[in-house]
Amino acid sequence: DAGVIQSPRHEVTEMGQEVTLRCKPISGHDYLFWYRQTMMRGLELLIYFNNNVPIDDSGMPEDRFSAKMPNASFSTLKIQPSEPRDSAVYFCASSLSSSSGNTIYFGEGSWLTVV
Amino acid sequence: AQKVTQAQTEISVVEKEDVTLDCVYETRDTTYYLFWYKQPPSGELVFLIRRNSFDEQNEISGRYSWNFQKSTSSFNFTITASQVVDSAVYFCALRGFSGGYNKLIFGAGTRLAVHP
Repeated sequence: DAGVIQSPRHEVTEMGQEVTLRCKPISGHDYLFWYRQTMMRGLELLIYFNNNVPIDDSGMPEDRFSAKMPNASFSTLKIQPSEPRDSAVYFCASSLSSSSGNTIYFGEGSWLTVV
Repeated sequence: AQKVTQAQTEISVVEKEDVTLDCVYETRDTTYYLFWYKQPPSGELVFLIRRNSFDEQNEISGRYSWNFQKSTSSFNFTITASQVVDSAVYFCALRGFSGGYNKLIFGAGTRLAVHP
């Protein structure tokens, strides 16, 4: 089975540009998570969805960040405008809500560099 | 509040040594899950194990073993006869469910370096 698929794997962009990160969760999973990893803050949850509905976005750093999940197989995380401090690895993850399937599986990450 | 503490920032061992990575957690939930993930130098997060709060049996998988003790809120990970390929950052994580709370909270990670 295909895992969580993220794109792009690597992106270098200039400050002020819009960045869109994409994610395809594991088929059938009803939870989708966006995490950010930095040296200073480690792995932090930005937002998560259940059945395509945002449940908790308290980790989204500021209004420059937005996330959508238009359907069960696709989500985006957008940064507009981007800043150098947004440079990080962004992970998308998904899980099944049933008690027997609570493992959260991660994609390979999108490595973002804002210069 | 939920919290995961991995007090060991970095560990360095020589190949074939046994090594234990510590994890202490805090939660008010009665139902929760604990996880270990491995992040090798290539950067992906690899799931290693999940343990629910009602199952305190220790688990062994090859050279890996996990010791879950609710009395001390610990979920430690031991690698026996370490190998260079075990070099990675290891994260302990907690997922609780009270009030619909469903986040996976990570510890800061322990960087393990295994030298030949």
